[in-house]
Amino acid sequence: DAMVIQNPRYQVTQFGKPVTLSCSQTLNHNVMYWYQQKSSQAPKLLFHYYDKDFNNEADTPDNFQSRRPNTSFCFLDIRSPGLGDAAMYLCATSRDPRRDTQYFGPGTRLTVL
Amino acid sequence: GESVGLHLPTLSVQEGDNSIINCAYSNSASDYFIWYKQESGKGPQFIIDIRSNMDKRQGQRVTVLLNKTVKHLSLQIAATQPGDSAVYFCAENFLNNAGNMLTFGGGTRLMVKP
Repeated sequence: DAMVIQNPRYQVTQFGKPVTLSCSQTLNHNVMYWYQQKSSQAPKLLFHYYDKDFNNEADTPDNFQSRRPNTSFCFLDIRSPGLGDAAMYLCATSRDPRRDTQYFGPGTRLTVL
Repeated sequence: GESVGLHLPTLSVQEGDNSIINCAYSNSASDYFIWYKQESGKGPQFIIDIRSNMDKRQGQRVTVLLNKTVKHLSLQIAATQPGDSAVYFCAENFLNNAGNMLTFGGGTRLMVKP
């Protein structure tokens, strides 16, 4: 019954060691989003894909990259994680980027040692 | 924009009472609003939404009120239950050149006392 799936749920990496988080969806939605959420804060949008079109937020660091090989999957790559990148990473999907509900996955909790 | 804060405002209510969670949104061009519930260690879960051509919408045990004049949104939960304990985020949605922008408010922690 899962609609937006994130793997792994918990990820531990070392300072500077590249890490990839994955998201898949069974909703066949056109848009996939990645958010970063730190403790006691609201989710912050990093970027989103509308089909194959990538849209980066202006203040998203270059350290964060994303790939969407097909409709169902989207990846978040952190090239050189710093201690400040420890957070919950949330994937979301929507049918359309315009005024449409976003559905969130359970998140991946990233720890940087 | 992003809300930043180390401490979430907290609303503590007795089980069975009604809860009202308030949110002030920032963009007068926002035309779609969503309330999300986030339990500890989980992703935000959609609760209810409302479009700007409405001022009230009801769901099961929840009601959202929209006052566009003062850019205020509220979520009312009837007969609050322990399972309602979570952080609640309002989100406003407006269209810019990059598509829709879902901007989250700062969140309110609801604690339900048995």
